[in-house]
Amino acid sequence: QSVLTQPPSVSGAPGQRVTISCTGSSSNIGDYDVRWYQQTPGTAPKLIIYGNHKRPSGVPDRFSASKSGTSATLAITGLQAEDESDYYCQSFDSGLSGSIIFGGGTKLTVL
Amino acid sequence: QVHLLQSGAEVKGPGASVKVSCKPSGYTFTAYYLHWVRQAPGRGLEWMGWMNPASGGTNYAQKFQGRVTLTRDTSRSTVYMEVTRLTSEDTAVYYCVRDFYDSADNHNYFDYWGQGTLVTV
Repeated sequence: QSVLTQPPSVSGAPGQRVTISCTGSSSNIGDYDVRWYQQTPGTAPKLIIYGNHKRPSGVPDRFSASKSGTSATLAITGLQAEDESDYYCQSFDSGLSGSIIFGGGTKLTVL
Repeated sequence: QVHLLQSGAEVKGPGASVKVSCKPSGYTFTAYYLHWVRQAPGRGLEWMGWMNPASGGTNYAQKFQGRVTLTRDTSRSTVYMEVTRLTSEDTAVYYCVRDFYDSADNHNYFDYWGQGTLVTV
């Protein structure tokens, strides 16, 4: 059971917009930044969002994110087949001896 | 370019210990913290702890305290993660990850990951 809650799966057709939620609490998302990672099977995760909404260089602007209160949302517009991956949110939790925490992950299926 | 090279796959029996190495290259070894994150088959990411290569300081997730030890050898620019008293629940891919601090942005994030080391118990 992850401290950060994500839906197990989402799906969308090519070209559509999908969102993935990440729900936490005041001891984590409420007080600290959120990062998002994309992982395809058999590979290491890749950072796609940091600082709640910032994109590293090279990440398409189809990926965006926001944070409000104790929740965060990743949005992907203009869905492409190559976006089919697992997505994880990450934050920091002050109530767990200074632990870094991940959401349980969301499998995005491009229909 | 930055690269984190981890040691190869391991197969261990229950109750044994395993030690995985991670050798960063392409930047100053002591410049950034290194974390360990594991992923059991078909499961999500789980943070285990971090090591400050400059000081040797460490911090562990509560779940792993007393069973996981992070060390470093500055002469070899290598960090190590040892897990003791292995059980089948420890079967996972273990990743070494660089925690980059962007001073221009005042943000930290995991920017480079090792290739992963599969530990099978």
